[in-house]
Amino acid sequence: NAGVTQTPKFRVLKTGQSMTLLCAQDMNHEYMYWYRQDPGMGLRLIHYSVGEGTTAKGEVPDGYNVSRLKKQNFLLGLESAAPSQTSVYFCASSRQVGNIQYFGAGTRLSVL
Amino acid sequence: KQEVTQIPAALSVPEGENLVLNCSFTDSAIYNLQWFRQDPGKGLTSLLLIQSSQREQTSGRLNASLDKSSGRSTLYIAASQPGDSATYLCAVTANQAGTALIFGKGTTLSVSS
Repeated sequence: NAGVTQTPKFRVLKTGQSMTLLCAQDMNHEYMYWYRQDPGMGLRLIHYSVGEGTTAKGEVPDGYNVSRLKKQNFLLGLESAAPSQTSVYFCASSRQVGNIQYFGAGTRLSVL
Repeated sequence: KQEVTQIPAALSVPEGENLVLNCSFTDSAIYNLQWFRQDPGKGLTSLLLIQSSQREQTSGRLNASLDKSSGRSTLYIAASQPGDSATYLCAVTANQAGTALIFGKGTTLSVSS
């Protein structure tokens, strides 16, 4: 069982570069989420999706865009990376609202 | 705005001890509460989920309780083992938002043999 898979695992970007983080889940879950985890701040929700073709903003959405073209995939994009976006990014999915969320292993991103 | 606090931030105990991790939240109108475990450099693993109508949940050596009216939850770990060393995170699902988890900053547990 793969569960939730995130790619890449590590990435280093220069300020102003763009990149896309991919999250894939094989559990047929409706809900998918992107969080960032920073020292002293805990995990904070960036964007989420309640189904294919739908996305919504979370607590810290600025500087990020997302897309959910297929039910199993949730993409997080950084159009112009900034050092403040250096973080560990986690993707999660759940069957329905309020259900257990299953997390991927994370992507460690450094923006220089 | 819902805030989740976990005390203590770090805890060191010898193997075999029973221990309690604390979680408090400011708004009692929650949908449910989850406890997660995070190992260094890894993702989060859900340990227990307590619905707002429940008082406790048990899984093996873990027991989580919920007192919604006082805004508190505890995670009890019996007979701790070195393999329990990890960061434990508490998170609530707010009634209104319904979808987002609001996390505490975690308690880092170290169990020595």
